[in-house]
Amino acid sequence: SQTIHQWPATLVQPVGSPLSLECTVEGTSNPNLYWYRQAAGRGLQLLFYSVGIGQISSEVPQNLSASRPQDRQFILSSKKLLLSDSGFYLCALKQGAGHEQYFGPGTRLTVT
Amino acid sequence: KNQVEQSPQSLIILEGKNCTLQCNYTVSPFSNLRWYKQDTGRGPVSLTIMTFSENTKSNGRYTATLDADTKQSSLHITASQLSDSASYICVVTPNYGGATNKLIFGTGTLLAVQP
Repeated sequence: SQTIHQWPATLVQPVGSPLSLECTVEGTSNPNLYWYRQAAGRGLQLLFYSVGIGQISSEVPQNLSASRPQDRQFILSSKKLLLSDSGFYLCALKQGAGHEQYFGPGTRLTVT
Repeated sequence: KNQVEQSPQSLIILEGKNCTLQCNYTVSPFSNLRWYKQDTGRGPVSLTIMTFSENTKSNGRYTATLDADTKQSSLHITASQLSDSASYICVVTPNYGGATNKLIFGTGTLLAVQP
């Protein structure tokens, strides 16, 4: 069965600093990968998705970017963090034609 | 506009009691509806999935129902345990899926089970 790893688990960064969150998956090949952000009291917001290496689709204009350098690696980045980037970031995967998405353990980002 | 609304926003119950969480959606066309459990600081985990043709689905002490005509779903938890304390999220998949798989998420019901 597939496994999703995210790190770090928690992160506190000052405004204006760069960001790099990593998601790696195991037990699957050529998955669709997703980055979500979950703000307090709000539903999950889809940020990016990728159907393959080097293929990134952005859902909302923002201060963030994503990259997929390897089949099982998905990275979320920012050059300069904003206070509004604080939140809980979830990586998810979907394998095959089914619609179920499996979520990783998440990264709690606090921008101060 | 595709939306998923959940009620109540939060709920406190005593251990051993039953409870029912509600989900109303306006997503159309509709493929399936899932209930996820999200423990604090963790990723959501799927509890049940139902297609439009299914009325009920059980997973242990969790039973989900679906009324596709009224676009309502409920999640019933029987004999609650302290470990049931979590956020329960209703997620609807539109029927145009594909790679984007733009799931429509509710904001969740935060359940607290007290001893």
